[in-house]
Amino acid sequence: QVQLVQSGAEVKKPGASVKVSCKASGYTFTSYDINWVRQATGQGLEWMGWMNPNSGNAGYAQRFQGRVTMTRNTSISTAYMELSSLRSEDTAVYYCASAIGIAADGTSYYFDYWGQGTLVTVSS
Amino acid sequence: QSVLTQPPSASGTPGQRVTISCSGSSSNMGSNYVHWYQQLPGTAPKLLIYRNNQRPSGVPDRFSGSKSGTAASLAISGLRSEDEADYYCAAWDDSLSGVVFGGGTKLTVL
Repeated sequence: QVQLVQSGAEVKKPGASVKVSCKASGYTFTSYDINWVRQATGQGLEWMGWMNPNSGNAGYAQRFQGRVTMTRNTSISTAYMELSSLRSEDTAVYYCASAIGIAADGTSYYFDYWGQGTLVTVSS
Repeated sequence: QSVLTQPPSASGTPGQRVTISCSGSSSNMGSNYVHWYQQLPGTAPKLLIYRNNQRPSGVPDRFSGSKSGTAASLAISGLRSEDEADYYCAAWDDSLSGVVFGGGTKLTVL
């Protein structure tokens, strides 16, 4: 069965960086984009960007441009999301999700499987 | 402020039918499919409806979706206590070149 298993909770100081991993199993890792979505406590879902595990290409939401990097290691079927210059407003649960569709043509682009989430706390 | 607009809350009694609306614009819902996600308390979101009205395997047919122009709705019939959750609509936005979500609707089963 398809599974996306994320790394554990992190506590970081303002200004630091965090790198969250997402290990895929049960399907061909390079066949589907991995997206990252975050959710602050009591708030809604916020899309951060997509990464194509086959090509390594990525696209980011404008508000995260310059601060986020999405990468992968195909040999271990794992995707990564690194967020830098952390501030308290970045405290949230971060989810990875596999996508059906092609980001270059978003007509039908949706998330069929999600990771369990990783809590990132930014506090001095 | 979310790009897609949903009511913050909805409620119904067991057995009732409830609908949750989602409105967008020409750059998102007007030109792309709408999808719905269910988030039970303390869990990750789950795909509920894709491509406006398609149900993934395992999703009961009590859940249905529809779309007309830049408006969409999720209907839940035969409401059950386990349907109490947050529901989010989503679509690709051509202007933003990314996925946009609604603010979410918290469904309470009275």
